[in-house]
Amino acid sequence: GQNIDQPTEMTATEGAIVQINCTYQTSGFNGLFWYQQHAGEAPTFLSYNVLDGLEEKGRFSSFLSRSKGYSYLLLKELQMKDSASYLCAVTGGSTLGRLYFGRGTQLTVWP
Amino acid sequence: SAVISQKPSRDICQRGTSLTIQCQVDSQVTMMFWYRQQPGQSLTLIATANQGSEATYESGFVIDKFPISRPNLTFSTLTVSNMSPEDSSIYLCSCTGVTEQYFGPGTRLTVT
Repeated sequence: GQNIDQPTEMTATEGAIVQINCTYQTSGFNGLFWYQQHAGEAPTFLSYNVLDGLEEKGRFSSFLSRSKGYSYLLLKELQMKDSASYLCAVTGGSTLGRLYFGRGTQLTVWP
Repeated sequence: SAVISQKPSRDICQRGTSLTIQCQVDSQVTMMFWYRQQPGQSLTLIATANQGSEATYESGFVIDKFPISRPNLTFSTLTVSNMSPEDSSIYLCSCTGVTEQYFGPGTRLTVT
């Protein structure tokens, strides 16, 4: 089976740094995605990690440890517009491209 | 990259009726996916649609309730049949790129 776990909610203030963790237990693993989703909108791609280590992309970075089944999304210099749900998703198994999603972490950024 | 459009963007339907959602991709893709996102929840895969074969449904979803068509490599439809208020959700279609999965803008369905 597939089990992807992430915190339900997080809060932070503008300008701060926040780390959203994701742990996974899956029967197959090809890579891990992070998506941002604002209320009422479709998910927007943020990052894709295949190998262990840190991938940096502007204010957002994503880390993966395959041996630990662990990833985190790091958001720096938080802005109000970063208030959204952040979805961790794993791809693997027999169906190419099929994603298994966590429940999402609702991040609220306060002024 | 791929750009996905969906129609309708939203609809309000009466219980017992059916709604067909269309998904159009601007390039040919082998596999398309249909997800449901209920209020406050994450995305749940309904089925995988391959061109030229029957869709593969996930546990808890059946063809009679969610028939899917995939007539070619750029288009798919999902029908929500005999709707009830529990079917009120956002329905998203998706396809796979090299290192990214692309999502359509979603169809927000409200069943009264």
